[in-house]
Amino acid sequence: DVKVTQSSRYLVKRTGEKVFLECVQDMDHENMFWYRQDPGLGLRLIYFSYDVKMKEKGDIPEGYSVSREKKERFSLILESASTNQTSMYLCASSITLEQFFGPGTRLTVL
Amino acid sequence: GIQVEQSPPDLILQEGANSTLRCNFSDSVNNLQWFHQNPWGQLINLFYIPSGTKQNGRLSATTVATERYSLLYISSSQTTDSGVYFCAVAFDYKLSFGAGTTVTVRA
Repeated sequence: DVKVTQSSRYLVKRTGEKVFLECVQDMDHENMFWYRQDPGLGLRLIYFSYDVKMKEKGDIPEGYSVSREKKERFSLILESASTNQTSMYLCASSITLEQFFGPGTRLTVL
Repeated sequence: GIQVEQSPPDLILQEGANSTLRCNFSDSVNNLQWFHQNPWGQLINLFYIPSGTKQNGRLSATTVATERYSLLYISSSQTTDSGVYFCAVAFDYKLSFGAGTTVTVRA
């Protein structure tokens, strides 16, 4: 079975902090993705990566950056967290078109 | 991007009932997935079904790509089927999600 893990289930940070969300997959998948989910707005793609050190912007990349130094790990970085980044963050990975999701990180920025 | 519409938005079922969820999309796709989001927020893969019909236990799905819709069937529903069901589509890797159907199964 595909396993995608995320570093925290719940996270509380203060405005202006630098925040790292980590995602690890154990299936040697080429592609990894970061989404956020908000009530009324659904799931939206932030960034994705199709190879180590490669990244592409999704629909809402503003305020975020990403890092993929190793194939199994994809990090989402909030350089200076703001309250409007309070959300559920979901990581996914794939080798074909089918994506598999991690358990999610519920981030609150105070 | 591709527009995705799911219906109905909410569904209340008595345990044991059957139901059909619908997903309409606005453009050609190579990638269509159905997910169930559990109460803890995790998206569980149900089907990868860009075309054709698949079955997995009490769940089955059909996608008619030429008419741009997909159906998810739940038979003999159980309380554990409760949650939000999402359809997501893409021509490539950039999935567009529908707003979901919230299913409540009552004992």
